[in-house]
Amino acid sequence: QQQVKQSPQSLIVQKGGIPIINCAYENTAFDYFPWYQQFPGKGPALLIAIRPDVSEKKEGRFTISFNKSAKQFSLHIMDSQPGDSATYFCAASVQTGANNLFFGTGTRLTVIP
Amino acid sequence: DTGVSQNPRHKITKRGQNVTFRCDPISEHNRLYWYRQTLGQGPEFLTYFQNEAQLEKSRLLSDRFSAERPKGSFSTLEIQRTEQGDSAMYLCASSPDGFNQPQHFGDGTRLSIL
Repeated sequence: QQQVKQSPQSLIVQKGGIPIINCAYENTAFDYFPWYQQFPGKGPALLIAIRPDVSEKKEGRFTISFNKSAKQFSLHIMDSQPGDSATYFCAASVQTGANNLFFGTGTRLTVIP
Repeated sequence: DTGVSQNPRHKITKRGQNVTFRCDPISEHNRLYWYRQTLGQGPEFLTYFQNEAQLEKSRLLSDRFSAERPKGSFSTLEIQRTEQGDSAMYLCASSPDGFNQPQHFGDGTRLSIL
């Protein structure tokens, strides 16, 4: 059973566009929500993370929006660039105990020049 | 930049053989994780170490899998009697203790079973 559901599976935008990737979860014990970026042949790299007591967090061109009541969160990439073309994963964890991450299935983003 | 280091990067082996992977975490990171990633999927948790103690194992970690972190530094993941379904990318991550501490991933070991 997929604990974190992610959509869309793939996304194509023009340079300068604002791709939006959405994730949803059921486990209300989750209290840490990171987003990772992965290039082919590389490991996931942390982009930005949010706690459930915050509704929005921005770091550079990346913004997370978080809706605790709907159990949904999303990643927005402002002014997207061809170098942003990668696979993006949302994740969630319960910070007490192991804090192991539950990942979504990923979104393959292509930014066209 | 001393990130998480994994060796080997690629391993090709015949079905039934044993394989061992190594992970060197970021120094002073107490927590170490192993994940498995198959093509087109997100990483799936396998096991977790707090220093040298293995504190949690996923049901994905069958009895053919064993992991160690003998001195609380590097870790090894061994797969015995490999099967076709073991073909995947094996990722290691480390983090400090405490809340809101990100997990830093290595570039993984890609295992191919012939």
